[in-house]
Amino acid sequence: NAGVMQNPRHLVRRRGQEARLRCSPMKGHSHVYWYRQLPEEGLKFMVYLQKENIIDESGMPKERFSAEFPKEGPSILRIQQVVRGDSAAYFCASSPLRQGADGANVLTFGAGSRLTVL
Amino acid sequence: SQKIEQNSEALNIQEGKTATLTCNYTNYSPAYLQWYRQDPGRGPVFLLLIRENEKEKRKERLKVTFDTTLKQSLFHITASQPADSATYLCALLNSGYSTLTFGKGTMLLVSP
Repeated sequence: NAGVMQNPRHLVRRRGQEARLRCSPMKGHSHVYWYRQLPEEGLKFMVYLQKENIIDESGMPKERFSAEFPKEGPSILRIQQVVRGDSAAYFCASSPLRQGADGANVLTFGAGSRLTVL
Repeated sequence: SQKIEQNSEALNIQEGKTATLTCNYTNYSPAYLQWYRQDPGRGPVFLLLIRENEKEKRKERLKVTFDTTLKQSLFHITASQPADSATYLCALLNSGYSTLTFGKGTMLLVSP
């Protein structure tokens, strides 16, 4: 079991370009969460997805950011027209059940994708 | 407003001592609270979960307490080792919600 796989591990983009971050959840996990971590900041929730559905996107910026988790393939976090403020570590996590569904569920995190915007 | 607060200053202790980390929250009604460990350049790793109706949980050298009256969780590492040096994050699931909210974490440094 390879765990949660994220790629690329490091991504450098110039302002105005697009960034695509990919996440393959653990085998058997159908729930995917994206978090963003800025230096000296905590993990901030962005979006929660199940296959082909966005369940909660309350943490996603209204513009330029989108996420998907297709029936086949990894979950994708897409950032269009990146700005310097988008530089951060983006973590994906997965779980087998919805958080709270049985009152006890934990997240397995990937190693993160570090985006640097020049 | 809702807040999860962890000590922002690093905790420095000597090997063999007990490390105690604090997590306070306001305006949450957590169904449960979790603790994670994060090493530099890595993703968080789950350590322990404690439910709202539990007072204490143990796992090897780790112990977590949860006081819903004080709105506080304490995380203890007994017989600490330099390998325990990391940032420790508390996270809680608010009742009725489906996503974990994390504190900013406290860095623990254990010196030999």
